[in-house]
Amino acid sequence: EAGVVQSPRYKIIEKKQPVAFWCNPISGHNTLYWYLQNLGQGPELLIRYENEEAVDDSQLPKDRFSAERLKGVDSTLKIQPAELGDSAVYLCASSFESGGTDTQYFGPGTRLTVL
Amino acid sequence: QQQVKQSPQSLIVQKGGISIINCAYENTAFDYFPWYQQFPGKGPALLIAIRPDVSEKKEGRFTISFNKSAKQFSLHIMDSQPGDSATYFCAASSDSNYQLIWGAGTKLIIKP
Repeated sequence: EAGVVQSPRYKIIEKKQPVAFWCNPISGHNTLYWYLQNLGQGPELLIRYENEEAVDDSQLPKDRFSAERLKGVDSTLKIQPAELGDSAVYLCASSFESGGTDTQYFGPGTRLTVL
Repeated sequence: QQQVKQSPQSLIVQKGGISIINCAYENTAFDYFPWYQQFPGKGPALLIAIRPDVSEKKEGRFTISFNKSAKQFSLHIMDSQPGDSATYFCAASSDSNYQLIWGAGTKLIIKP
C-alpha cells in the first residue's frame, strides 16, 4: 500500500515569492492534516480536513497561507508571499478517521528554504 | 495544560544499552499516548502507543511504561542498536479531541 505522497521534496525560493505544496493521502483516509515542523521541534498543526471540509484551520496564518482539498482526496497548501520565517519542513499526514486516537500516517515532508 | 514535556533533548547510548526517554503531561483528559520515530528526511512514524488502562506495553525491544498518578510515561529501548538512532517524539490526545499534542523530541544516538 502506498504511503502519503508529498511533492516537491525540496523547494528554495526568494522571499515574497509564492510556493505550493501537494499531498496525496493514503487511499481511503478521510482525514488529512498539514503540519509545520521547525528544526529540532515537534510538528505543529496548521489545518485539518475531514473529507473536503476544513474542520480546524485555527492555527493557519490566513493572511498568507491557504489550503484546499478538492474532492476530498489530494490537498494543496500555498504560501503567498513567503517570508524568511516560513523556512521549515511542511508535513502532510492522513488518518482513516478523525478521532484523537486514530493513527496518523505522515509523508516525507517538503523542506522549504526561503532566501 | 495542553503541553507534553519531553526529556532529555538528546541522548547518547552505547550499542546494547537501554535508552530511556521520559514525558510528562498535565491534562487528565488525555487517554492515548503514542510514541513516534522520525529518521532524517522522513516523516514521523508511529512506533508504539498506550492507553492509561495498562501500566506497560511491550512490542519487541520497545516498551512504554505509564504512571497515571504521576502523569508520566516513558519509552524504553532495550538492546539499543545503531539503527535506532533517530528522533523520538511522545504525544498525547483523547478520543474527544482529535488533536495530537507533541513533545519537543529527543535525538537519540546509538554509538557502535
